[in-house]
Amino acid sequence: DTAVSQTPKYLVTQMGNDKSIKCEQNLGHDTMYWYKQDSKKFLKIMFSYNNKELIINETVPNRFSPKSPDKAHLNLHINSLELGDSAVYFCASRQGQSSNQPQHFGDGTRLSIL
Amino acid sequence: GNSVTQMEGPVTLSEEAFLTINCTYTATGYPSLFWYVQYPGEGLQLLLKATKADDKGSNKGFEATYRKETTSFHLEKGSVQVSDSAVYFCALSVSGGSYIPTFGRGTSLIVHP
Repeated sequence: DTAVSQTPKYLVTQMGNDKSIKCEQNLGHDTMYWYKQDSKKFLKIMFSYNNKELIINETVPNRFSPKSPDKAHLNLHINSLELGDSAVYFCASRQGQSSNQPQHFGDGTRLSIL
Repeated sequence: GNSVTQMEGPVTLSEEAFLTINCTYTATGYPSLFWYVQYPGEGLQLLLKATKADDKGSNKGFEATYRKETTSFHLEKGSVQVSDSAVYFCALSVSGGSYIPTFGRGTSLIVHP
C-alpha cells in the first residue's frame, strides 16, 4: 500500500564501506528524487530522474551514483563512505512537469557511519 | 533564482495557542506554493498547497493564503495540539526549468500540554 518505500530504514556501517539504498514508488510517477537531510533538518537535493533519465545532478561527490532501472525505481549507491555522509536520505516522486503537483516522500534511510 | 525563507525555530507553544509560521519567497516565473509537515521519524508529507494568487490552502485546521503582493505564504492554525509538534517546510515549484522544488530550511514546532 505504501506509495514511496525505501530500504533499509536504518543503515549502520563503517567508514570506507560501500552501501546501497533502494527506492520504489507505486504511484505511476515519472519523476524521482534523492535528498539528503542533515541534523538541522536542512533538505538538500542530490539527484533527479525523469523517465529513467538523469536530469539533475547537484554538487554531490562522485562517490554517490544513482541508478534508475525503470521509472518506478531509483537506487542510490555510495562508495567509500565517509563520516560526513551520516544523514537521513529521502527518496521522493512527483507526477509530470506541472508545478502544481506535490512531491511524495518515503520515510527515509538513516545512515550512520562509525 | 528561486528561494524560500522561513522563520527560524524552534517555535514553542502551549496547547490551544494560535500558530503562525512565516514564509516568504522569491521566484522566477509564477510558482505554486506548498507546506509540508515532517513528524518525528517520518518523511515529509504534503499539508496544503495553493497554485495561484489569493488561493487559500487548508487542511487539518491549518491554512495559508498565497499573497503575490507580499510574496508570502504564512502558515496559521487557530488552536494547536500536542500532536502538531513536527517540522514544517515551506516550498515552491515553478513550471518548466529543472523540475526541482525549492524548500525552506524548515521550522520546528513544539507544543506543550
